[in-house]
Order: sequence, then structure tokens, then C-alpha cells
Amino acid sequence: QSVLTQPPSVSAAPGQKVTISCSGSSSNIGNNYVSWYQQLPGTAPKLLIYENNKRPSGIPDRFSGSKSGTSATLGITGLQTGDEADYYCGTWDSSLSAWVFGTGTKVTVL
Amino acid sequence: EVQLVESGGGLVQPGRSLRLSCTASGFTFGDYAMSWVRQAPGKGLEWVGFIRSKAYGGTTEYAASVKGRFTISRDDSKSIAYLQMNSLKTEDTAVYYCTRVVGSNPNWFDPWGQGTLVTVSS
Repeated sequence: QSVLTQPPSVSAAPGQKVTISCSGSSSNIGNNYVSWYQQLPGTAPKLLIYENNKRPSGIPDRFSGSKSGTSATLGITGLQTGDEADYYCGTWDSSLSAWVFGTGTKVTVL
Repeated sequence: EVQLVESGGGLVQPGRSLRLSCTASGFTFGDYAMSWVRQAPGKGLEWVGFIRSKAYGGTTEYAASVKGRFTISRDDSKSIAYLQMNSLKTEDTAVYYCTRVVGSNPNWFDPWGQGTLVTVSS
């Protein structure tokens, strides 16, 4: 059972915005960097956001990340059909001495 | 181009062993920690473990679910990371991904390999 909680699914129409929450605790999100990963159907995960809010080169600015306290949020604006995927947050847990992933959120474009 | 290629997956009986390899290219392998992440069919991502670079002692950390059964090692001269899996259980069935780690304790994972499927079944 994951220590990071995400909503199972979110959806919106093309062009709209969605946000995905990732809730943790002081031993993980509260004191460590959060990263986000996009997994398109049938493919390997890909880094989307690192160090809470930074985008790797090649990731459009429609994707954004933020962190406040023990929660993090991924935002996707200008939603496109190509954004349909599973999204996972992740961070180091200092108490467990282990990396933890969120439960995952499926984004559906209506 | 940074690339990671996993190999060694397949069908194995419960209780047996299997070794996966991750061959890296396009970066100085010895400068980075390396990690394994798995995904059971239809399930989410599960971190398996990681090995630090020699600069940080080459030490390892593992998920509780595999500790004592799985071992991660590295051969910097060949740019290969290994995942030795012993006493395999049916619940170890998953696609296993290799990924490069940024940070002495992982800060993030990038890039990821394409994955290799391990099926544990009699």
C-alpha cells in the first residue's frame, strides 16, 4: 500500500485544465523533492517534473508542478488527447529509507 | 543519446532465480546511481531498489518486499547494472524497468529503459 495518495482518475475536455494531487507526510513530501512521471499506454514511464516544479527539456510548459507542506500538485493546461496517460508522483521517504511512488492517476480527455 | 536497455526477463518457476541486466550508453555510467522499478500487470509503479555510485560507496537500498531476496550490483567497466532475483514468488511477476538516478538518495529518475517482463509461474 503506497504512502503517497493520488486520485484514481481525473478527466476534462480538450483545452481544459486538470490538476492531480499527491498527498504524503513529513517524512516524504514534507522534506524531500517531488517528481512526476507520465506513462503513456504500453510505454515506459517518462520524467515530467523534477525538484517539485522544474521541467526537463522537451516537456511543454502546459505541465507544471508545485509543492506545499506535505502535498504536491501536477497541473496540465490546454489538455490534449495525447495527454491521456497514467501519472505518478514520487519522492524519497526518509523514515523508510525507500523511494515511494504515488498510487497513480489516470487522465482521460473527454 | 542517453539509453538504457534491460535484458534477461522471461518465464521462471517459483523459488528459482533470475538475473536481469541493464546496459547503459550515452553517459558516464560510474557517475550515477542506478535503480530498478517494477510494475505488475495492470498495477502501479513499485520501487525495487537502487545502488549508489562508487563515489557514494556503491551502497544499496531495497524495498521491504524484496529485501533479502533481491540484490543490485554494478559493473562500471561495462556500464551494466544487475538485478539478481532469488526465491522468486508469483507476486514478483512484473515488467522491470531500469532507470538512472539523480541524487545520492534518489531525487528523481531519468531516463527509463523500455522494461523487461518477468513471469513467475509453475
